[in-house]
Amino acid sequence: SQQGEEDPQALSIQEGENATMNCSYKTSINNLQWYRQNSGRGLVHLILIRSNEREKHSGRLRVTLDTSKKSSSLLITASRAADTASYFCATDDSGYSTLTFGKGTMLLVSP
Amino acid sequence: DVKVTQSSRYLVKRTGEKVFLECVQDMDHENMFWYRQDPGLGLRLIYFSYDVKMKEKGDIPEGYSVSREKKERFSLILESASTNQTSMYLCASSLLGPDTQYFGPGTRLTVL
Repeated sequence: SQQGEEDPQALSIQEGENATMNCSYKTSINNLQWYRQNSGRGLVHLILIRSNEREKHSGRLRVTLDTSKKSSSLLITASRAADTASYFCATDDSGYSTLTFGKGTMLLVSP
Repeated sequence: DVKVTQSSRYLVKRTGEKVFLECVQDMDHENMFWYRQDPGLGLRLIYFSYDVKMKEKGDIPEGYSVSREKKERFSLILESASTNQTSMYLCASSLLGPDTQYFGPGTRLTVL
């Protein structure tokens, strides 16, 4: 099964700065999702973008999708210490009922 | 509010023991999933179920089995626990397969 790969593996920024994480994948998708995981907890869904969409916003989150480059980016604006977490992209496997998750980006936001 | 619960947050078992991990969702979702999460390897799908009594193997089913007797409950069974099964286990559910998944808090299992 294909797998999304996030980049960078780790990111450290100051409060108030923007954080950008990227995800690349290998084959065609129907949608791409971003999830967040606080340390030692379950994942929480952030946003879903469909293959026919190019950009989507939710609060301080902005997601873009470029299907020609098979890549997506997650932008968190005006970051806060509470945004410290791991962020995962997930792609659906065409023809199957499952998602494939990348290995995640660890974001550290310092006060 | 959507809720997925897992029977234990932390579990310590001995090699060779039979281990049951329970997951319950209250959203009437058709699909349920079991993942394990290990450092550097991300989330890997063990098994999933798209209906009661139905199950499908994921990417790493070896050493595991599952049971889904009721729609809201999906159990992961380690028939004979081994040290390489020490991991974080995450359960999730979704209305449709590739749709948004709702995760439980996870069970951190240590096999000694």
